[in-house]
Formats: sequence, structure tokens, C-alpha cells
Amino acid sequence: RKEVEQDPGPFNVPEGATVAFNCTYSNSASQSFFWYRQDCRKEPKLLMSVYSSGNEDGRFTAQLNRASQYISLLIRDSKLSDSATYLCVVRPTSGTYKYIFGTGTRLKVLA
Amino acid sequence: NAGVMQNPRHLVRRRGQEARLRCSPMKGHSHVYWYRQLPEEGLKFMVYLQKENIIDESGMPKERFSAEFPKEGPSILRIQQVVRGDSAAYFCASSRGWDTANTEAFFGQGTRLTVV
Repeated sequence: RKEVEQDPGPFNVPEGATVAFNCTYSNSASQSFFWYRQDCRKEPKLLMSVYSSGNEDGRFTAQLNRASQYISLLIRDSKLSDSATYLCVVRPTSGTYKYIFGTGTRLKVLA
Repeated sequence: NAGVMQNPRHLVRRRGQEARLRCSPMKGHSHVYWYRQLPEEGLKFMVYLQKENIIDESGMPKERFSAEFPKEGPSILRIQQVVRGDSAAYFCASSRGWDTANTEAFFGQGTRLTVV
């Protein structure tokens, strides 16, 4: 089983739609969680950290469910510029604290 | 405040040559991570370093690959005797440390290695 699993997509949605991505992780000792976005083979850019109580940043909402070991990202009012690959990242407390990336979910927002 | 700096951005090497990739972390960051991304694939962890220490090299191929992060200067990822399969984008990230929850990592623009 992969340490971090994501649906690769693509998710094709019209502008203005709401879209949600889920990510599951296998290591229950994981401590820190993040969402990154990656455009067209460029470097991953931090979108937001995910806090235990859930957090929101504008149109983006992240949730963490430790019991079920999954993280979600909700994007409201999708824009064309949201088209990218969204990477779920987990950082365990055990071991060496490296950042473990999912393979990403591709989103295409259509005009 | 400069971000993570990687150079070169593009590197072409012939089979059998050596490739050296450099990464300078963000100011105030002492932890460096190297990742490799093959075409149409996700980011694969290679190695995690602190100044003068390799913390985790579990993702490094056993041969031809090495990494260092000296007391002075950038972190270096070195690939000896490159083969076509080494062609990939190599990303470096840095963070402040490991003892703070939600310590965020920031990435450089990557080095795209092409082996011909």
C-alpha cells in the first residue's frame, strides 16, 4: 500500500463549480499535512497547511480526519487558473520527518 | 528574501558523464530535501540532509548517486556515470526544522537533467 494515495483524475469541471479531492495516508503517526499545487512540470508550490480543526483560505478549505486517515481539499467557485495538479503531502513524526508526496490529482477547469 | 535556489536550471550530459546539481536553501532553513520527478510521474523522495549530516537517504539509488550539504555552500546532488534513465526533473526543497508541527517546505525551480 502506498504511503499517500490520491485519485489521479483528471477532474474536469466547469468554471464556478465546486470540486473536492481526497487523500489517504497509511502512517497513523503522521503529524503534519499539506496541499501543494504543481503547474505544468514546474516546482510544487505550497497551497496550504492542513490543521486538525480544518482551515480555510479564501476559496480553499482543507479538512483532516485522523480517525479515517484522510485529508480533503475543497475548491469553491473554480477558476481557469485553478487548473493544475494538486499534491497531498504528509510528514510523519516517526522516522526522519521527510515529506511524503502523493502522486497528485489533476484538475482541469473548463470555460 | 530569496527562495530556494537551484542551478543549473537545465543540464545536458552524455551517457557516462557526471552531473552535479546545486541547491541553496532559503535563508534561515537548515534542512534540505531532494526529490526526483520522472515524466508523467509523481515526486519521489531521494534524500534528506542537514548541514554536514545525511538524515535519510532511503530514496537514493544504491550506486552512482550521492548527496552532501557542507557547512559552507550549497547542497550538492551528484550523479556519476549518468544513464538515459536518469533524465528527470530534480527538485530541492528546504525547511526550518523538524521539531515544529506544520513546518512547511519550499521548493526550488528544479534542475531538468537530460542524458543524451
